[in-house]
Amino acid sequence: NAGVTQTPKFRILKIGQSMTLQCAQDMNHNYMYWYRQDPGMGLKLIYYSVGAGITDKGEVPNGYNVSRSTTEDFPLRLELAAPSQTSVYFCASSYPGRQEGGESYGYTFGSGTRLTVV
Amino acid sequence: DAKTTQPPSMDCAEGRAANLPCNHSTISGNEYVYWYRQIHSQGPQYIIHGLKNNETNEMASLIITEDRKSSTLILPHATLRDTAVYYCIVRVRGAGGTSYGKLTFGQGTILTVHP
Repeated sequence: NAGVTQTPKFRILKIGQSMTLQCAQDMNHNYMYWYRQDPGMGLKLIYYSVGAGITDKGEVPNGYNVSRSTTEDFPLRLELAAPSQTSVYFCASSYPGRQEGGESYGYTFGSGTRLTVV
Repeated sequence: DAKTTQPPSMDCAEGRAANLPCNHSTISGNEYVYWYRQIHSQGPQYIIHGLKNNETNEMASLIITEDRKSSTLILPHATLRDTAVYYCIVRVRGAGGTSYGKLTFGQGTILTVHP
């Protein structure tokens, strides 16, 4: 089981460039999330999805777009990169429908994408 | 989701118990307490969660006060590999209400385990 896979691990963008951060999970989880983490801070929710074809904004969605065409994939799109988007981006998934107890309601996080916009 | 308050940093000697406090005085009856940790910029890792009873698993124990306004995460025998940022999160479990399972992270507690 690969869990949650994020690519790329590192990327440097110039201001105004675009890119897509990829996220894939092989656990058949319904819910997927994108978070960003600025230095020394906690994670902030960008977008989330409760299933294929359904997405919604989180706490800090401006400057980003998402799509969810399949259960497995949840890409995050940056259209016009800005220095304020320099951050570490984490994708996560969860399956709230499982029974209580253990890690059934725990998130599985990817290893992150470190993005620098210069 | 209820807000939590944690000390910004704590130290612990290797082999000793690490007790990490969390205050969540505005917690609602249907909100659970979750603990995650993040080791050196890796993705956060689930540790444990509970509603009102004390919980224990292979990683840690969670002690929740009777009034549920605070809790303590206990790592019984801390090792150097437990050095991490620990996040206490309170939220409605599963897809309750409009939370859709979202986690709201504060700044957490930086736990440093030293030899």
